[in-house]
Amino acid sequence: DAGVIQSPRHEVTEMGQEVTLRCKPISGHNSLFWYRQTMMRGLELLIYFNNNVPIDDSGMPEDRFSAKMPNASFSTLKIQPSEPRDSAVYFCASSFRQGRVELGAFFGQGTRLTVV
Amino acid sequence: AQKVTQAQTEISVVEKEDVTLDCVYETRDTTYYLFWYKQPPSGELVFLIRRNSFDEQNEISGRYSWNFQKSTSSFNFTITASQVVDSAVYFCALSEGKAAGNKLTFGGGTRVLVKP
Repeated sequence: DAGVIQSPRHEVTEMGQEVTLRCKPISGHNSLFWYRQTMMRGLELLIYFNNNVPIDDSGMPEDRFSAKMPNASFSTLKIQPSEPRDSAVYFCASSFRQGRVELGAFFGQGTRLTVV
Repeated sequence: AQKVTQAQTEISVVEKEDVTLDCVYETRDTTYYLFWYKQPPSGELVFLIRRNSFDEQNEISGRYSWNFQKSTSSFNFTITASQVVDSAVYFCALSEGKAAGNKLTFGGGTRVLVKP
């Protein structure tokens, strides 16, 4: 398996523009997570899905952020409109859990977003 | 609520020295999962190990070893005979055992610098 695939790897955009980050989880995994990493706040969970259903979006900073998982193999994180303070590395991760079986989350390589 | 504390923000050692990274966690669940991740300078998050709360057996993998102590809520990580390639930020993480939720909560990370 290729692992979790994120695109793009780098994104530079102007303030006010819409940004869409994409993620393809590992096949067979039933949970998907979006994290944001900054120097100031470390790794923050934004939202996670279980079996394509959003379970907890309490980490989403504000209404400018939205995430979807239309099927088991694809998710998007959208920021509209983007602001300079959204600049960070955004990680997508997927995992499998069933009963007591927990494989742990495997991360994509991240998208480095810069909003100027 | 779950919480992970990595009290050491940065550790600097000389190559071949051993280094131990501390991790203390808080959770109300009796079933939970603990993880360590490595983030090298290239930025990706690399899964190192997973431990279930119902299995306190310590583990060794090459130069890496982990000491899980439920009594003190700690899951410490030791690198034996450190190498320059071990230089990275190491994150400890916790996932609670709720059936509908398996989000990871990360500690703040410990930066390890191994000098030649």
